[in-house]
Formats: sequence, C-alpha cells, structure tokens
Amino acid sequence: DIQMTQSPSSLSASVGDRVTIPCQASQDIGSYLNWYQQRPGKAPHLLIYEASKLETGVPSRFSGSGFGTDFTLTISSLQPEDIATYFCQKYDNFPQTFGGGTKVEIK
Amino acid sequence: EVQLVQSGVEVKKPGESLKISCRGSGYNFSDYWIGWVRQMPGKGLEWMGIIDPTDSDTRYSPSFQGHVTISVDRFINTAYLQWSTLKASDTATYYCARHRTRKWNYDAFSIWGQGTVVTVSS
Repeated sequence: DIQMTQSPSSLSASVGDRVTIPCQASQDIGSYLNWYQQRPGKAPHLLIYEASKLETGVPSRFSGSGFGTDFTLTISSLQPEDIATYFCQKYDNFPQTFGGGTKVEIK
Repeated sequence: EVQLVQSGVEVKKPGESLKISCRGSGYNFSDYWIGWVRQMPGKGLEWMGIIDPTDSDTRYSPSFQGHVTISVDRFINTAYLQWSTLKASDTATYYCARHRTRKWNYDAFSIWGQGTVVTVSS
C-alpha cells in the first residue's frame, strides 16, 4: 500500500505568518490528494480536494499544490481559528489512506 | 441541510458485539458512497472502508478487513459499522463521512458525522 507521510508532526507560527504543511506519498498518486482540517474535539472538515481545488466555503487563505509524490497545503496568513491538525489523504486507489497529521499551534 | 447523524456513546466490555449507525438526511442517500474513519485517542485518522448504498459494494482497508463489517440500509438512509467481538484496542472515536461527488468512489469526504465514541474496557 502507498504510505502518506506528514512531517513535521507539529509546527508553531505567529498570527499573520505564511504556513506551509508538506505531505509526501510513497508512490505517484497524480492529483488524487485531499486536505482536511480538524479542530480540537471536532470532526474533520474538507479544505482542498484534487490537490489544489478549494472546497466551497473554505477561506481563500488556504491553498493546495503539488503532483505525483509531493504536496503542500499553504495558509497565506495564519489566523487564530486555524489552530488545528491538518491531514492529507490519497484517493487514487484503495485504501484511501490518511497521513499522520500536522498540528499547527500559535507561537 | 445535508447532514450525517451518528448514534451515541457506547461503553462495552471485551468480547461483546456492537453496531453503530450513521443516518443521512437532506440528500438522496443512495447517490453517494459513505465511509468510516477511526481515530484512536490522541491519534490520527485511519480510513476503514466505504460502501455504495445502491448495491452495498464495499471496499475495506486491509488493516480492518475481517475485523469489522460495514453495511447499509438504503430504505432508512442509514449506514452501519459493526463488530462481533470487541477488543480494548477498538476504543476510539468513529466517524462516518460521505463522498463529495455523486456516484464516485474515488473522492474526498465532504460531509462528516459528529463521531461516535466507543470505549471497550473490562
């Protein structure tokens, strides 16, 4: 099975910072990559699908990029409400594995 | 409003059986694949499997195949996740989630249930 790696597992940034969150697939998955946000104690929430397409209602400060094995979620200007764990998920085939997550904290 | 509503908290003993549910509303239930995701305490998300409500075509992760059963009753718009013999390691929050695109099984989860907390302890 393809493995999804998210490193670092946590990062700290200041409000207003540009934050980049990487995700790496162990094999080529094309653009079959989603990003989710999970705030503490809440269900996950879809941010980005197909590597770079913004889900309806998601703030434009979130963006996704990448193709093949290397992907990035970018928050252009970190806001206090963005404190959460971010997960990538591949869906080119089964199982549609999640990465281990990156926890974003405010410095 | 499109939503998935899951059944409530469960506290069980090892060896017991369990079936939790996920009811969809606000959309044509048969049109969208529904999946289950496990989150163990303090850990990440694990994709367990998905099911097509139209014909019950089910795909499991190898990590969960044989340990759980995913099913659906499309006449009452409800998906299920069940165990025949629970273990302490099944303690987790379980989320159901609906695919984003009608009739598509390679997709993102755009609608999530609120989660069902399952605790297995003697």
